[in-house]
Amino acid sequence: GAVVSQHPSRVICKSGTSVKIECRSLDFQATTMFWYRQFPKQSLMLMATSNEGSKATYEQGVEKDKFLINHASLTLSTLTVTSAHPEDSSFYICSARGINTNYGYTFGSGTRLTVV
Amino acid sequence: AQKVTQAQTEISVVEKEDVTLDCVYETRDTTYYLFWYKQPPSGELVFLIRRNSFDEQNEISGRYSWNFQKSTSSFNFTITASQVVDSAVYFCALSEGGSEKLVFGKGTKLTVNP
Repeated sequence: GAVVSQHPSRVICKSGTSVKIECRSLDFQATTMFWYRQFPKQSLMLMATSNEGSKATYEQGVEKDKFLINHASLTLSTLTVTSAHPEDSSFYICSARGINTNYGYTFGSGTRLTVV
Repeated sequence: AQKVTQAQTEISVVEKEDVTLDCVYETRDTTYYLFWYKQPPSGELVFLIRRNSFDEQNEISGRYSWNFQKSTSSFNFTITASQVVDSAVYFCALSEGGSEKLVFGKGTKLTVNP
């Protein structure tokens, strides 16, 4: 079945530094990738949608200069949290859709980011 | 705009009890897809089911069953003879036919006690 690999699973960084999270579709071409953020005991909130080779579309209230999304190939999308602050600490999870997954959504295992 | 409401924040049952998780959705599209996901404490999302708006047949998979009723805009999920391993947060989600966005409800935390 369709598999999405997300790395790292956990990361701790210092305030002011940048962190990159990778999301790879292992056995299908992801025409669209999604990035979600989930605060403790809350739901998943869509941050942005990206299509391969084009700029990401950000949801209202999400700072695109702070959360840089790159979808350079059909199997890889990255989310970079720039100049991270403690309030950026959260669980980030990616999702991918592709033609040969019947356009179902396949989720990565998530990245728990802690900014200290 | 699409919206998903899971009114039950937390449910606690004793093992072997049946439990139903409610999901009510809002959409203006006639074509849409409904999903249920399970999120155990480890955090990953486990896909349970996808149902399109043109298929109102109820679905049963082992101890899991789903009741889709367009008349009440509901897509409820029932676990029969619950087990401790069913303890997790369950999310209902909706995507509209003309959009790729998947919108989640707030989730229901299910605790099954031995």
